[in-house]
This record gives sequence, structure tokens and C-alpha cells, in this order.
Amino acid sequence: SQQGEEDPQALSIQEGENATMNCSYKTSINNLQWYRQNSGRGLVHLILIRSNEREKHSGRLRVTLDTSKKSSSLLITASRAADTASYFCATAITGGGNKLTFGTGTQLKVEL
Amino acid sequence: DAGVIQSPRHEVTEMGQEVTLRCKPISGHNSLFWYRQTMMRGLELLIYFNNNVPIDDSGMPEDRFSAKMPNASFSTLKIQPSEPRDSAVYFCASTLGRTDTQYFGPGTRLTVL
Repeated sequence: SQQGEEDPQALSIQEGENATMNCSYKTSINNLQWYRQNSGRGLVHLILIRSNEREKHSGRLRVTLDTSKKSSSLLITASRAADTASYFCATAITGGGNKLTFGTGTQLKVEL
Repeated sequence: DAGVIQSPRHEVTEMGQEVTLRCKPISGHNSLFWYRQTMMRGLELLIYFNNNVPIDDSGMPEDRFSAKMPNASFSTLKIQPSEPRDSAVYFCASTLGRTDTQYFGPGTRLTVL
């Protein structure tokens, strides 16, 4: 099974609304990262949160990490049509070097 | 500064043919990763290199797949012979030391007929 599994698989919202995506993982991690992938493109790094951090902000992004529940959430506030993309969480497993394991992704559609 | 460069961007080939995908990492990065993305299996790590040395190739599906990194600025992923089930988008990514953030190339869309 996947190390990281995102929920929901797909999300459709109106522009201006907030979007929340969740990620669950199974093993101890050094850090958790979120990436965005626009259709037909490579992944782009958004934000990294380390295992000793609980919350991090970057612009309209807010990430939380709960290591006791092995879960993370990504909140995009005041969404825009340009936020339409797939979002992936990726975990750097403890003892795994600099290898990342990617989740299954959430497809976000922001409608005008 | 140029990002990760992959070539070709699209490749259509027939079953049984050899396919070679190429990647140029960001200058100065010392780790390189090859991924495969499909609808069914998502994004899978195939192999990664640190300082041109293969560290983990446990994701390479079978002996038909091989990867090399002859120097710090070039890597290849070869499939010989190719099969229709190899059809996917193949991504290369690079990173600098333990900074953890990976920078992805645009991908190569491979179709094996």
C-alpha cells in the first residue's frame, strides 16, 4: 500500500473558497513535503515541514503535521483558478536517505 | 538558471525496441532520481544516485530497465526491450545534498505500441 495516501482523491471548489487536502502515512518520517503538478508538467515543490514542526505557512498555504496520527493537511486559502492542479504529499522516511515516497495525489479543480 | 532538462519530451516506439531517456540535472546538484508515473500506479521511484553512484534501485521493475550516471551532469534510463506496459511518463529530478527539496524535469511521455 502507499506510504502516503491523500484524501480526497478529487476536490472541486469555487474561486475564493479554501481547499483542504489530507495526507496519511505509515512510518516514521524526517519530513513531509507537498508538491503541485499541473496537467502535463513536472512536479513543483510547495512546502516542507519537518517532523519536529507542527505548522508552517507560505503565502496562501498552510501545512500542519500530526506525527502521533501520522497525518498532514494542506490548506490553500482564497483559491484561484490557477490553483487547479494535482497535489501530492511526499515523505522522507527516517533512515531512508534523501529518497521521497509520494502519495496518490488529490486533484483540485477551482472553478470561476 | 536552467532547470532539470529531459529529452526527448515524447517518444513513440514499437514493442521490442530499445528506448533511451536522458536527463541533465541542475548544475551543482549531487542527487538524481528517476520516477515513473501512470494512472494505475501513481508516481514510483525507480532508482536514485548520490554523487553519480546508484544508491537504491529497488524500484526498477525488471532487468529490462537500466540506468547510468557517467558524470554529474548526465544520466540515462534505458529500456530494452520495451513493452506496451512500459508506457508512462518518466520524470527525472535532482536535489542538492540533504536539502530534501526535489526539482523535477518536464518528463518524457513514452508510448510503446
